Amino acid sequence: EAGVAQSPRYKIIEKRQSVAFWCNPISGHATLYWYQQILGQGPKLLIQFQNNGVVDDSQLPKDRFSAERLKGVDSTLKIQPAKLEDSAVYLCASSATGSTEAFFGQGTRLTVV
Amino acid sequence: AQSVTQPDIHITVSEGASLELRCNYSYGATPYLFWYVQSPGQGLQLLLKYFSGDTLVQGIKGFEAEFKRSQSSFNLRKPSVHWSDAAEYFCAVGARGGNKLVFGAGTILRVKS
Repeated sequence: EAGVAQSPRYKIIEKRQSVAFWCNPISGHATLYWYQQILGQGPKLLIQFQNNGVVDDSQLPKDRFSAERLKGVDSTLKIQPAKLEDSAVYLCASSATGSTEAFFGQGTRLTVV
Repeated sequence: AQSVTQPDIHITVSEGASLELRCNYSYGATPYLFWYVQSPGQGLQLLLKYFSGDTLVQGIKGFEAEFKRSQSSFNLRKPSVHWSDAAEYFCAVGARGGNKLVFGAGTILRVKS
């Protein structure tokens, strides 16, 4: 069974530029999450989708971050414009309906300079 | 609000020695509890989880954890550490009926030969 796929693995951008990350969850998983992991901290949930609807985006900085999950499968997370403090690893995870076990991708490491 | 505290940022143990990583949580009801491991450049892998029942849970790679309601703790243990166990370990709490996880800041395990 293929795991959660994310791309790119690494990205370096200048502040005020925009960036987008892509995630393909495990086939059949209805729930998709984006987490932000800042160096030295645990992952923090940014947004949770159930199919293509948003369940929780309470910690998403909506003035600069946006996410979508078209057709309830792949998802993209966008940052525009990026700030230095956005430097982090962005983890995508998915879980099956009714399951509390989330499977994580390898993450995208973003460096904003 | 849910929160997780991992008091130890770094722990160093000798190969073959026993290991205990501490985790304390704050939650208003009986939570779901998880331990994840993250190797450098990798995503999070689930080691074990507690939902209900027996308070001593067994996981992969020889790890176990014990849920102690009176102490609000869920400590991770391994009787004999291998060099390949060197990684960062995260404790997480989740709400019953929901999928969102709140993570601790992590404990970095170093194994010396």
